[in-house]
Amino acid sequence: DGGITQSPKYLFRKEGQNVTLSCEQNLNHDAMYWYRQDPGQGLRLIYYSQIVNDFQKGDIAEGYSVSREKKESFPLTVTSAQKNPTAFYLCASSTGRGEKLFFGSGTQLSVL
Amino acid sequence: GEDVEQSLFLSVREGDSSVINCTYTDSSSTYLYWYKQEPGAGLQLLTYIFSNMDMKQDQRLTVLLNKKDKHLSLRIADTQTGDSAIYFCAETPGGSYIPTFGRGTSLIVHP
Repeated sequence: DGGITQSPKYLFRKEGQNVTLSCEQNLNHDAMYWYRQDPGQGLRLIYYSQIVNDFQKGDIAEGYSVSREKKESFPLTVTSAQKNPTAFYLCASSTGRGEKLFFGSGTQLSVL
Repeated sequence: GEDVEQSLFLSVREGDSSVINCTYTDSSSTYLYWYKQEPGAGLQLLTYIFSNMDMKQDQRLTVLLNKKDKHLSLRIADTQTGDSAIYFCAETPGGSYIPTFGRGTSLIVHP
C-alpha cells in the first residue's frame, strides 16, 4: 500500500542536541512538507520542497534544517538553535499541483 | 488577521447534526478542503470542493460553499462518538500548491 511514514513516533531531545525526524513516502509525489503543530495553534509550515535538491523556508524555519536528496525522503533536523522544540511534527506530501495532502502519523518531540 | 478562520470548539449530542464553519480570504482559491485529525495522529482528508461548486455531498458529509461571503461549512449528519476529532479547513490559493490551514475545530460528541 502507498503511504507516508514518519519515524520515530516519540523523540526526546537533550539540551544542545540536534535530532532528525524521518519522513518517507512511496506515493511518487513531487512535493513534500513539514508542519509543526502546537495545541490550539493549528499547523505552521516549517519547510517545503517541490522537487529533489530544492526546498524553501516556510513560516517558521528558524532552528530547523531539511534535505531532499531523494524524491521519497524529506528528513527534518531540529537543531540546538530551536529553543522551544516541544511540539507534534507532521510530514505531508502531494502531487504539487495544489491538490490534497497526504499526512504521516506524526512525531511527538519533547525536551528532556 | 488569519487567512482561514474557524471556531475552536463545537459540542453536540450523539445523533444530532454538526455544522463546522470556516471563512477564508483568498477569492482565487481553487480547492477547499476539510481534514480530520484524531488524537495523536496525522490529518486525513475528509472531503474537498472545487471553487466552481456550491455543494458536495458524500454519505453523511455535506459541504457548502458560499463564494460571495468566502464561507465554507461542513455538516455531519447523525453525528457519532467516533466523529469526535479536530476538523481543519484548508484552502489552496490560486497559483500556489501550498495550502493554508485554519486552527482547527475540536468536535466533541457526547451521549
